[in-house]
Amino acid sequence: AQSVTQLGSHVSVSEGALVLLRCNYSSSVPPYLFWYVQYPNQGLQLLLKYTSAATLVKGINGFEAEFKKSETSFHLTKPSAHMSDAAEYFCAVSRGSQGNLIFGKGTKLSVKP
Amino acid sequence: KAGVTQTPRYLIKTRGQQVTLSCSPISGHRSVSWYQQTPGQGLQFLFEYFSETQRNKGNFPGRFSGRQFSNSRSEMNVSTLELGDSALYLCASSLDSGGGYGYTFGSGTRLTVV
Repeated sequence: AQSVTQLGSHVSVSEGALVLLRCNYSSSVPPYLFWYVQYPNQGLQLLLKYTSAATLVKGINGFEAEFKKSETSFHLTKPSAHMSDAAEYFCAVSRGSQGNLIFGKGTKLSVKP
Repeated sequence: KAGVTQTPRYLIKTRGQQVTLSCSPISGHRSVSWYQQTPGQGLQFLFEYFSETQRNKGNFPGRFSGRQFSNSRSEMNVSTLELGDSALYLCASSLDSGGGYGYTFGSGTRLTVV
């Protein structure tokens, strides 16, 4: 069965510091992988997705993620945090044929001034 | 183009009642999925509809049901509401079923059962 593990339910960084949010997946077939962001009282916004093209995926708002099959990881990074990045981030996997997303538990990112 | 529209945004219902939530996908999108978000269980898949057919279903009791209309709009219904059904219900639309196109989510319907 597919699953997604996000390490760290809360991550706090200073403004301008590197953001690293960790995601590991388990899947028996090559997956589609996604990162979503959720601001309070809002839905989920797609940051980026991996669909077996380039392993380094660039997304919106300066975020990127690297697919590493050997480590079954898809960590999200941003070189310099901004106050507006404070939100909850969800990693998700889809097996493709089944279609539905399986989400991690989420990581709340706090950005200190 | 317009995003995914969910109505209503907020809803308060009494235990035992039933509720219907609505979702209008992005124009041209034929797949609509529903998810339940709670602090304890996180984001859980309810079901997916494609061209008016249920393609996939999550592990929820039969009180949760849905349908999709010919214009791709979808509704989900919860009967005999329980306190534990209080959650944010999110609808997501996609061009096609299968996940590869990615999903666009609506802002959700916040259901409170009292």
